[in-house]
Amino acid sequence: DAGVIQSPRHEVTEMGQEVTLRCKPISGHDYLFWYRQTMMRGLELLIYFNNNVPIDDSGMPEDRFSAKMPNASFSTLKIQPSEPRDSAVYFCASSLSTAPNEKLFFGSGTQLSVL
Amino acid sequence: QKEVEQNSGPLSVPEGAIASLNCTYSDRGSQSFFWYRQYSGKSPELIMSIYSNGDQEDGRFTAQLNKASQYVSLLIRDSQPSDSATYLCAVNRWGKLQFGAGTQVVVTP
Repeated sequence: DAGVIQSPRHEVTEMGQEVTLRCKPISGHDYLFWYRQTMMRGLELLIYFNNNVPIDDSGMPEDRFSAKMPNASFSTLKIQPSEPRDSAVYFCASSLSTAPNEKLFFGSGTQLSVL
Repeated sequence: QKEVEQNSGPLSVPEGAIASLNCTYSDRGSQSFFWYRQYSGKSPELIMSIYSNGDQEDGRFTAQLNKASQYVSLLIRDSQPSDSATYLCAVNRWGKLQFGAGTQVVVTP
């Protein structure tokens, strides 16, 4: 299996622009997670899906952020409009379940820079 | 109080020595505990998991859990330069992994 695939690897945009990050989870994994990592706040859970349905979006920072999972093999995280404070590495991860011993597999991340 | 707390480091360890990393968590309902290693510019990778009180060993790594004290630790024996990375403590709280800020480990030759 190719693992969790994220695109793009790097994104540089200007403040106010729309940004869309993409993720393909591992085939057969029912859970998909979006994390954001910054030096100041570490690795934060933004939202997670189970069988394409958003379960918990309490970590989404504000209404400028939205996430969708139209099918089992694709998810997007959108920021509109983007702001410099959104600059971070965004990771997508997937797992078979949320059982206590379940392993989480991370994608390579998207480095977002908002100028 | 943060839900998962770690010393940020850097923790400087001579090659061949033991690196000791600590983590505390706030929610007594937490069910499972993990250590992830993250090299600079890379994604986190799981190196250890532990679910019950006591020690869990895997090669040069030993994870220790004390639920009464809400404390998890990671020991790296015979530290190698390739162990230089940031180590993230993660706690499974009701199906969600919450991460600490990470401890940077630097192994010096």
